[in-house]
Amino acid sequence: ETGVTQSPTHLIKTRGQQVTLRCSSQSGHNTVSWYQQALGQGPQFIFQYYREEENGRGNFPPRFSGLQFPNYSSELNVNALELDDSALYLCASSPQIAGPSTDTQYFGPGTRLTVL
Amino acid sequence: QQQVKQSPQSLIVQKGGISIINCAYENTAFDYFPWYQQFPGKGPALLIAIRPDVSEKKEGRFTISFNKSAKQFSLHIMDSQPGDSATYFCAASIDSGGSNYKLTFGKGTLLTVNP
Repeated sequence: ETGVTQSPTHLIKTRGQQVTLRCSSQSGHNTVSWYQQALGQGPQFIFQYYREEENGRGNFPPRFSGLQFPNYSSELNVNALELDDSALYLCASSPQIAGPSTDTQYFGPGTRLTVL
Repeated sequence: QQQVKQSPQSLIVQKGGISIINCAYENTAFDYFPWYQQFPGKGPALLIAIRPDVSEKKEGRFTISFNKSAKQFSLHIMDSQPGDSATYFCAASIDSGGSNYKLTFGKGTLLTVNP
C-alpha cells in the first residue's frame, strides 16, 4: 500500500504566474483535501474533493481551484500568484465509506511553493 | 478568528520527562480532536485522536486528556525521547457525515527533547 504522494517537491514561480500541484491519494481513499501551511503556522483548509466533486471550501479566493480525477488523484491550481501564496501545500486523503468524513486524514509530504 | 488556540508555542524537556501541550477550542460543535506530529520537510502524521464521549485516550506513550465543559484538550507525552522532537499540532473538526469536514489546526508547538 502506497501513501499519499505529491509533486513537485519544490517549485519557484514569479508573481502573476499560474501553478499546478499534483497529489496521488493513498490506495483505497476517495476523498482528497488540500491545505496551505505558511511558515510557522498550522495548515489551513483550502478545499476538499469527494468522488470528483468539490465538497466544501475554506476561506480562499476563487483563483485557488482544484480537480479530482476518476482514479481519485487531484490537482490544485493557483492563478495570478501573489507573494503571500508562498507556503507548503499539503494534500491529505481519507477513506470514505458512507460519505465525507474527516476521520483519519493522511497527509503527503507537501509541495514547497516559493513566489518571487 | 482563531478557533483552536494552542500553547505553548515552544517547549523544551529533558529525556525521560513529560511533555504537555494544551489546546482550547471555541466551537462547541467540534466533535473530533486529532493530534498531528510533523518533522521538518514532512507532512503532518496522525498521532492520536479523541471524540468527546471519552475524557482520556492512551496509545503507548501518548495520552489525550479531554475536558468538554472547559472546551480544552491536551497531549501528554510520557518518557519523552529525543526522537519525539518535532512540531505538534492539535486540530478539531465537525464529523457529521458530510455537512462539515475541514480540520481546523492550532498554530503548533515546537517540542525539543534534550538528551
